[in-house]
This record gives sequence, C-alpha cells and structure tokens, in this order.
Amino acid sequence: DIQMTQSPSSLSASVGDRVTITCRASQSISSSLNWYQQKPGKAPKLLVYAASNLQSGVPSRFSASGSGTAFSLTISSLQPEDFVLYYCQQSYSSTWTFGQGTKVEIK
Amino acid sequence: EVQLVESGGGLVQPGGSLRLSCAASGFTFSNYWVSWVRQAPGKGLEWVANLNQDGIEEYYVGSVEGRFTISRDNAKNSLYLQMASLRAEDTAVYYCARVSHYYYQYMDVWGKGTTVTVS
Repeated sequence: DIQMTQSPSSLSASVGDRVTITCRASQSISSSLNWYQQKPGKAPKLLVYAASNLQSGVPSRFSASGSGTAFSLTISSLQPEDFVLYYCQQSYSSTWTFGQGTKVEIK
Repeated sequence: EVQLVESGGGLVQPGGSLRLSCAASGFTFSNYWVSWVRQAPGKGLEWVANLNQDGIEEYYVGSVEGRFTISRDNAKNSLYLQMASLRAEDTAVYYCARVSHYYYQYMDVWGKGTTVTVS
C-alpha cells in the first residue's frame, strides 16, 4: 500500500499568516493527490484535486502544488474559518490512502 | 441539489452484521464511481471501499477485505455497504462519497455520515 505522510501533524498560527502543509507519498503517485478540509463534526470537503486544481468555490487563498512524492497545500492568509483539519489523499493505486491529517490551530 | 444521504448505522455486537445505505440525488448516479470512507472516534479518515459505475470493479482496504461488501443499485440511485464479522475497531462514522475524475479520481461530494458502534 502507498503510505501518505503529512507534516506537521499540527501547527499554530495567527489570522493572516501564511502556512504550508506538506504531504509525502511512499512512492511516486504522479499528480493523483487530493486535499480535503474537515471542520469539527462535519464531513470532509474537497479543496484541491489532481495536486493543484482548486475545487469550484474554494477561496483563492488556498493553493497546492507537487508531483511524484512531494506535495504541499498553502493557505496564503489564514482566516478564522481555516483553523480546522486538513488531509491529503492519493488515488494513484486501486486502494486509496489518506495522510494522518494536519490540525491548524490558532496561536 | 447534489446530495448523498447515509442511513443504517447503529449499535451492533462484535461478530454481528449491518448494512449501510447511501441515497444519491441531484446527479446521474450511474455515471459515477462511489466510495465509502470512515472515521473512528478522534481519528483520521480511512478509505474503505470503491465501486465502479456498473458494480463490477470493487476495491477494499485490507482490514475489511472479506468482511465488507460494497454494492449499488443504479435503478434506485443507491449505494450499500454490507458489513459482517464486525469488530470494535470498525466503530466509526461512515461516509459515502461520489468519485469524479480529472486525469485522476477524487471524492467531490460527501454525505453527512452515519455512525456505527460495535460494542
């Protein structure tokens, strides 16, 4: 199975800060990497698909890049509603895997 | 409105069985792959299973292989997850999701989830 490793597991930041979350795959997955946001008690929400494509309706302060084994999600200016959980997920293999998640907390 | 609504969760004893359902609306269900994803209490997301449009291709995470079966009824716009030999570690919120693709697949529509407790 392809393992996905996110870092950091959590981070503290302030409103307006720029933050980057990274996701590494245990083998090359080309650009088959998706990012999801999850608010407490809610279903995950798709943010980015195919490594760098912003889902419709997602604010432009979110951006993502990467290919192969290394990927990143950047929030250019944190807003209060962004202090939640983020997950990466690979769809390269027939069995999919998520990263362990990154919690973005208010400093 | 594009929507997925799960049902069928509940409390079940270890070794028992349960069938989850997911009702789709607002899109042509038969055109899409579908997935089940779960989240144990306080834990991260775990992909469980995928099924293609005609119900022929199915894939599972190793921990449920041989115990869970994903299926669909396109005439009823419904997805199912038959769970057997349930274990305490299967306790989770189970989400169904629609799978879209742009070169690669991704889950773009999610239900609100249904809770399964094995105890």
